[in-house]
Amino acid sequence: SQQGEEDPQALSIQEGENATMNCSYKTSINNLQWYRQNSGRGLVHLILIRSNEREKHSGRLRVTLDTSKKSSSLLITASRAADTASYFCATETSYDKVIFGPGTSLSVIP
Amino acid sequence: GAGVSQSPSNKVTEKGKDVELRCDPISGHTALYWYRQRLGQGLEFLIYFQGNSAPDKSGLPSDRFSAERTGESVSTLTIQRTQQEDSAVYLCASSLIRAQPQHFGDGTRLSIL
Repeated sequence: SQQGEEDPQALSIQEGENATMNCSYKTSINNLQWYRQNSGRGLVHLILIRSNEREKHSGRLRVTLDTSKKSSSLLITASRAADTASYFCATETSYDKVIFGPGTSLSVIP
Repeated sequence: GAGVSQSPSNKVTEKGKDVELRCDPISGHTALYWYRQRLGQGLEFLIYFQGNSAPDKSGLPSDRFSAERTGESVSTLTIQRTQQEDSAVYLCASSLIRAQPQHFGDGTRLSIL
């Protein structure tokens, strides 16, 4: 398995519901980042959480990090159709490498 | 410019031809990355430049792939003798320094016939 793996691979929800995506990793990290990619576009940085942080908020986004379980979750509250995109976690390892996971494809149905 | 710019946005070429992809990073960003993204897949790291240091080429899949960057400006990714398996979107990103949030271009969609 890869350094960063998102779960689930695909998620379909109704507008207004919450969406939760998880990321698991294998080696020690300095920080973990979440990115969004709309179809046909590049990735957009959403949020960065450092290894000594447990939770971070940005608008409707909530990210948690559990270094003991080597996992992170991204929660999008009150989802909107515009949140439809692929979401990637990226881990910065202690070797200064940034590694992206395969992504979660989120569909928000109006 | 305001963001990372990549050109061309689309490239269709015949198998065996060479292609050159261009990336203009955000001014002042010392770190520059190239990734390959196959349809429906995640990002595959290709190469990383940091200032005037030797680039990290550990992700280049074969010697047909090469990249250059002059100082902290434009980078070009060259694929020689293209194969159909090279068909993908090639994404470029830049950041102030390594491991800071990366800013991505919209990619070059490469199709090898």
